[in-house]
Amino acid sequence: GENVEQHPSTLSVQEGDSAVIKCTYSDSASNYFPWYKQELGKRPQLIIDIRSNVGEKKDQRIAVTLNKTAKHFSLHITETQPEDSAVYFCAARGNTGTASKLTFGTGTRLQVTL
Amino acid sequence: DVKVTQSSRYLVKRTGEKVFLECVQDMDHENMFWYRQDPGLGLRLIYFSYDVKMKEKGDIPEGYSVSREKKERFSLILESASTNQTSMYLCASSHGQGYTFGSGTRLTVV
Repeated sequence: GENVEQHPSTLSVQEGDSAVIKCTYSDSASNYFPWYKQELGKRPQLIIDIRSNVGEKKDQRIAVTLNKTAKHFSLHITETQPEDSAVYFCAARGNTGTASKLTFGTGTRLQVTL
Repeated sequence: DVKVTQSSRYLVKRTGEKVFLECVQDMDHENMFWYRQDPGLGLRLIYFSYDVKMKEKGDIPEGYSVSREKKERFSLILESASTNQTSMYLCASSHGQGYTFGSGTRLTVV
């Protein structure tokens, strides 16, 4: 089955700096890669996603890049703000046919300091 | 907005008890999922369902079962709770791509 690795496990940046979180996946047939943000005590929420026919997608201060050849994808947050502090999860969906199940990375705890 | 509702926010159960975790979604989604979330391990898939009465094992199904008698409801069952099942349990539903998660149930088995 699919295996997703995520790095780093913790990341501390100063307000205004950029943050990058990287993930690799194992199943070359995977075709959908979402990112979730989980604030303390809350449910994970989808913040951005990318499909395998696209190399990059941007939404205001966040962007995701995908390198299918290398089987890795990254989340980029620019001009970080304290409210960006959260745990971020990457995920990949294999092309298995049933139920669109996602395999998640182990998460990155992002701390934005003043 | 899709709502995914988990019946309990916190549960404390004794070892050996049979435990039911309930999840209801209100947007007619075909797909529903149960994950457990543990520090350093991320979200791991226990079971999922792509239709009424249909279920498939995820990556860590041992010690769990599920039931989906109606499209909107997906139940996770711990047949005989053990302390290593102490965790945060997250339900999610999906129509195709991304998930909508419930608020989670923090289960403690003592």
